[in-house]
Parts: sequence; structure tokens; C-alpha cells
Amino acid sequence: AQSVAQPEDQVNVAEGNPLTVKCTYSVSGNPYLFWYVQYPNRGLQFLLKYITGDNLVKGSYGFEAEFNKSQTSFHLKKPSALVSDSALYFCAVRDISGGSYIPTFGRGTSLIVHP
Amino acid sequence: ETGVTQTPRHLVMGMTNKKSLKCEQHLGHNAMYWYKQSAKKPLELMFVYSLEERVENNSVPSRFSPECPNSSHLFLHLHTLQPEDSALYLCASSQEGTSGTDTQYFGPGTRLTVL
Repeated sequence: AQSVAQPEDQVNVAEGNPLTVKCTYSVSGNPYLFWYVQYPNRGLQFLLKYITGDNLVKGSYGFEAEFNKSQTSFHLKKPSALVSDSALYFCAVRDISGGSYIPTFGRGTSLIVHP
Repeated sequence: ETGVTQTPRHLVMGMTNKKSLKCEQHLGHNAMYWYKQSAKKPLELMFVYSLEERVENNSVPSRFSPECPNSSHLFLHLHTLQPEDSALYLCASSQEGTSGTDTQYFGPGTRLTVL
């Protein structure tokens, strides 16, 4: 079984400050982990993913995420937030040992960056 | 966008109407998905077609009927819908298998309103 949790419905941050959007996961085997962003009235857009290798993954628009196996976390980070980063962010997990290619998505976290 | 197109972008229909949503992917992928996104609810996987085999969420009502005539096209046929079916319907595609990218690419969605 696979599951993912995004413990915060909303994250507020001032422009220029660092941001973190949290994600924790549960899988039986090894995870593939993904972050997606959704702007208003748009579909989900792929940001980055962890498959294997370096625990720090860099993605689009200056975002990065750190895979932490001991804490089963994959938090999304950005050193300096922009107002244009305001959007809905989804974490997703896929258990590569489970035989299913279908990922499970979190409930989403609304990021609001204040000018 | 991302190589996945959806039509129409907006649809308003009465409960007795029959309509269809269309999705087309231009990425050469071998799997396609329908998701339902409602306000304040998690992303709900409705149907998956992989290599033209159908996988479905058993909780999806029979008033939703998918069709996948080939690996590039996916339809969602709608009939006698209820107001609670109003939502954003998202199509996605991915390449599955040993050479798969594991990343889902989403279309912009169809905003459906049932009166």
C-alpha cells in the first residue's frame, strides 16, 4: 500500500523569504516521489521527482526537494519565494515494489506568497 | 501546455443531457488517466487505460463511461449527471514500463457544471 500526507492545507510566506511545503509518505518498498504545481484554472504541472541517487533533487522554477528516507519525507523548498509561486502544490508517491504504476496524490497545499 | 489537450475547457449541462469530454496526448505515451478534482477534496482517480487495458475506481458511478479508442485519445462520456458531479475533470498521460518516465503529464482540465 502507498499513501502520502501533506499536513498543511495552506502555507503563507513573505516574498523573498524561504519556503517549505511538507510531504510525508508511506510505502512498502522503495518510493518514486513527485511534486506538481497547479495554477488557477489549469492542470497539474510537473515540478520535480525523486527516483534514485542524490537526495536533493532540483526542479523547475528554482524549486528543490530533499528525500529523507529515515523521516519518510520529501519536502519542497525554495530559497526565495516569489509572488508568482502562489499556487496549489501536490506531492505524489508511487511504490515501485508494489507493481502498480498509478501514483497516489496528497490533498494539496495552497502556497500564498505575500508581497 | 504539456502536450495533453482537453476539450471543451468549460461545459455546462443539465442533468438529462449527454455529453462527452475529449482528451488527446501528443507525447507518445502508453497510459492515460481521468481524474476528478473537486474543491476541498483530494484528487480522485476515476479511470486508467494502459496499453488499452482499462482499470477503474469501483466507486465511480456508472453515469461516467470512459472510452479509449487508441493510445492517443481518451473520452469520458457523461449522462444523467448530478449537481455534485460539478468539478474539474483532468486528463493525464504517462509512459509506463521498463523505459517509462513514471511522470504524469496533465491537460488543462474541463470545468464541468451540472445544473
